[in-house]
Amino acid sequence: GAVVSQHPSRVICKSGTSVKIECRSLDFQATTMFWYRQFPKQSLMLMATSNEGSKATYEQGVEKDKFLINHASLTLSTLTVTSAHPEDSSFYICSAFQGAGGYTFGSGTRLTVV
Amino acid sequence: GEDVEQSLFLSVREGDSSVINCTYTDSSSTYLYWYKQEPGAGLQLLTYIFSNMDMKQDQRLTVLLNKKDKHLSLRIADTQTGDSAIYFCAERKGNKFYFGSGTKLNVKP
Repeated sequence: GAVVSQHPSRVICKSGTSVKIECRSLDFQATTMFWYRQFPKQSLMLMATSNEGSKATYEQGVEKDKFLINHASLTLSTLTVTSAHPEDSSFYICSAFQGAGGYTFGSGTRLTVV
Repeated sequence: GEDVEQSLFLSVREGDSSVINCTYTDSSSTYLYWYKQEPGAGLQLLTYIFSNMDMKQDQRLTVLLNKKDKHLSLRIADTQTGDSAIYFCAERKGNKFYFGSGTKLNVKP
């Protein structure tokens, strides 16, 4: 079946630094990937839609300059949290669209900003 | 708009059936999904149902959809301790998923 890999699975960073999270589709090409954020004991909220070769589309209220998304190839999208602060601590999950194969979610990245 | 609601907790005994309920507001959703999330892990797709279906069964899982009431349920037969997790229902419109808050299922031995 389709597999989406996220890396790293856990990361702890200092306040003010930037963190990059990778989302890879391992055995299929994904023209569209999605980034979600999950606060503790809450649901997942869509942050942005990432399209290969073009700019990401951000949901209302999501700062595009803070959450930089790059979808440079059909198998890789990256989310960079810039100048991270403790309130950015969260669980970030990506999803990749496989066409008729549907949507596959990654295993998630737990970000802790200290 | 999109508003998906679930009860937060459910506790059952091992061997009993579990029923997790979900309501949604947008009748134009094309597919409705159930995902399972274990602690610290990502989302595992359990099953989904197309919006023009009433029921779908897959081994121990039964999904019921009442379009009139915009109500979706997931029944897990013969619940096991390994079923303990958070279950999310979600509706999909186009490429976007809208998730409920998740129901934490606790299975007691």
